[in-house]
Amino acid sequence: NAGVTQTPKFRILKIGQSMTLQCTQDMNHNYMYWYRQDPGMGLKLIYYSVGAGITDKGEVPNGYNVSRSTTEDFPLRLELAAPSQTSVYFCASNRLRQNTEAFFGQGTRLTVV
Amino acid sequence: QQQVKQSPQSLIVQKGGIPIINCAYENTAFDYFPWYQQFPGKGPALLIAIRPDVSEKKEGRFTISFNKSAKQFSLHIMDSQPGDSATYFCAADIQGAQKLVFGQGTRLTINP
Repeated sequence: NAGVTQTPKFRILKIGQSMTLQCTQDMNHNYMYWYRQDPGMGLKLIYYSVGAGITDKGEVPNGYNVSRSTTEDFPLRLELAAPSQTSVYFCASNRLRQNTEAFFGQGTRLTVV
Repeated sequence: QQQVKQSPQSLIVQKGGIPIINCAYENTAFDYFPWYQQFPGKGPALLIAIRPDVSEKKEGRFTISFNKSAKQFSLHIMDSQPGDSATYFCAADIQGAQKLVFGQGTRLTINP
């Protein structure tokens, strides 16, 4: 029962570098999400996808890009990393259109210096 | 209008006490209100959820109270234990939208 798997768990980036946060789920869920979690701010939705080939912006999409070529994978791309992108990133997935449980990965702690 | 406001930001309770965490929302289109529990180094996990057609839902020691007219809902933990120490997030969603809006989180500490 892998669920939602995120890699890497930790990463330090220099300002201006780029990287891809990987997310894969083995539950055949159609809906997938990327959130960022900042202290005292809760979780903010960055991007989401309702199925392979379909993505849309969430509340805080600037500085990020996503793709969804398969049902299982939903990578998050950071271009030109900035200190404001220092955060903990969570990927999540959900099975049905009706409100049901969202399953979260263990997170990626990213520091931009 | 998409915000969910959560309080308090942190809470310390003695073992056996009843911590209460409150959330308020503005968007009357919200119709699904889950609570997520997060332990350090882990992702959030669904704890309990309620829909606005009921005023209360209990699952074990966890209870959600919902006040539709006041647009508020709260989480109560009965007979709290040190193992309940975690960060709790309330959230809200609209039927079919599948885009949870989270509160700011409450760091709960249960002292032995």
